[in-house]
Amino acid sequence: AQSVTQPDIHITVSEGASLELRCNYSYGATPYLFWYVQSPGQGLQLLLKYFSGDTLVQGIKGFEAEFKRSQSSFNLRKPSVHWSDAAEYFCAVGADYKLSFGAGTTVTVRA
Amino acid sequence: NAGVTQTPKFQVLKTGQSMTLQCAQDMNHNSMYWYRQDPGMGLRLIYYSASEGTTDKGEVPNGYNVSRLNKREFSLRLESAAPSQTSVYFCASSEQRTGFNIQYFGAGTRLSVL
Repeated sequence: AQSVTQPDIHITVSEGASLELRCNYSYGATPYLFWYVQSPGQGLQLLLKYFSGDTLVQGIKGFEAEFKRSQSSFNLRKPSVHWSDAAEYFCAVGADYKLSFGAGTTVTVRA
Repeated sequence: NAGVTQTPKFQVLKTGQSMTLQCAQDMNHNSMYWYRQDPGMGLRLIYYSASEGTTDKGEVPNGYNVSRLNKREFSLRLESAAPSQTSVYFCASSEQRTGFNIQYFGAGTRLSVL
């Protein structure tokens, strides 16, 4: 069965600084990988996905993620964080029509 | 374009009461899902319906039942609510085709069981 680990429960970053959120997955075959964002009191919005091809994928809101098969990782990055990026971020792996989520990383942005 | 609509948005129950959470999607998706979200645990799959007429258990199905009423609607029922079912519940839907499909989520139902 697939699983996802997000090692960082909470990250605080200054506005304008770069952000990297870590995600490690466990899955035997080629994974389908996703990053979702959840603003307070809201549902989940898809930031980006990796299905195949180029290992660096671009998403919405200026986010990108890099798939590294050798490290079983799919880390999310943003070069310059805005206050509106404060939210909870979830990494997920898809298989057999189902998603398995990590526990999430909460991002706080300080002025 | 509404996407995935969940009702109600908030609910408070007493232990032992029953209720049904409703979910409807207008994207003509074949597959629908129910998740619960608890602090520090991400989202966990309760039940899913890969296509109209089929339902299957997910990771945490105990205490829940589901009904795929038609292609648009997928309801989640708590027959006898327990405090452990206090959570935020999300419905999602996706197309069904080869490979894997993006899941689109509703805004959630916040349930408290006292």
